[in-house]
Amino acid sequence: ETGVTQSPTHLIKTRGQQVTLRCSSQSGHNTVSWYQQALGQGPQFIFQYYREEENGRGNFPPRFSGLQFPNYSSELNVNALELDDSALYLCASSGSRAEKWTFGSGTRLTVV
Amino acid sequence: KQEVTQIPAALSVPEGENLVLNCSFTDSAIYNLQWFRQDPGKGLTSLLLIQSSQREQTSGRLNASLDKSSGRSTLYIAASQPGDSATYLCAMRSNNAGNMLTFGGGTRLMVKP
Repeated sequence: ETGVTQSPTHLIKTRGQQVTLRCSSQSGHNTVSWYQQALGQGPQFIFQYYREEENGRGNFPPRFSGLQFPNYSSELNVNALELDDSALYLCASSGSRAEKWTFGSGTRLTVV
Repeated sequence: KQEVTQIPAALSVPEGENLVLNCSFTDSAIYNLQWFRQDPGKGLTSLLLIQSSQREQTSGRLNASLDKSSGRSTLYIAASQPGDSATYLCAMRSNNAGNMLTFGGGTRLMVKP
């Protein structure tokens, strides 16, 4: 079975720009969550999608938005980038009961 | 608000030593707890998952325990090896917070040859 794949692996953006990060779920998984991990810290929950609907959100502003597609792949969009948005963005997928999460390798976003 | 704390933040041990990593959480309504390994700049690899009804899980040289009454979990690594060097993260899923995971800050482990 394939795992969770994320693209791109690295990205450099300028403050104020917009960015889209992509994630392909593990085969058979229909729930996707996104996390932000700042350097030296644990990941922070951004939001979760189940069957193309957002069904959970952490303490992140509306400029962080997402989509889930019929094939359960997902996108994370961040508008009006700020320097503090520089982090490793992790995507995780799970089955319907969300018992165990499988994480991708992440996208390293640097905002300059 | 759930809080998950990991102590120590960093640990350096000689090869072959047995060691214990600690994870404490404030939310008593725990659903499950998962331990992850993270190599520098990489994603998370799941090590062990303990359901709230379980007291421990084992995989090879790793053993994770869960004590709901005290709000603690430990990850025991036997006969540590240089290849075990990584950051170890615990993450709790609460009965009261949907499916989201609340992570600790991690313990950065260095095993010296």
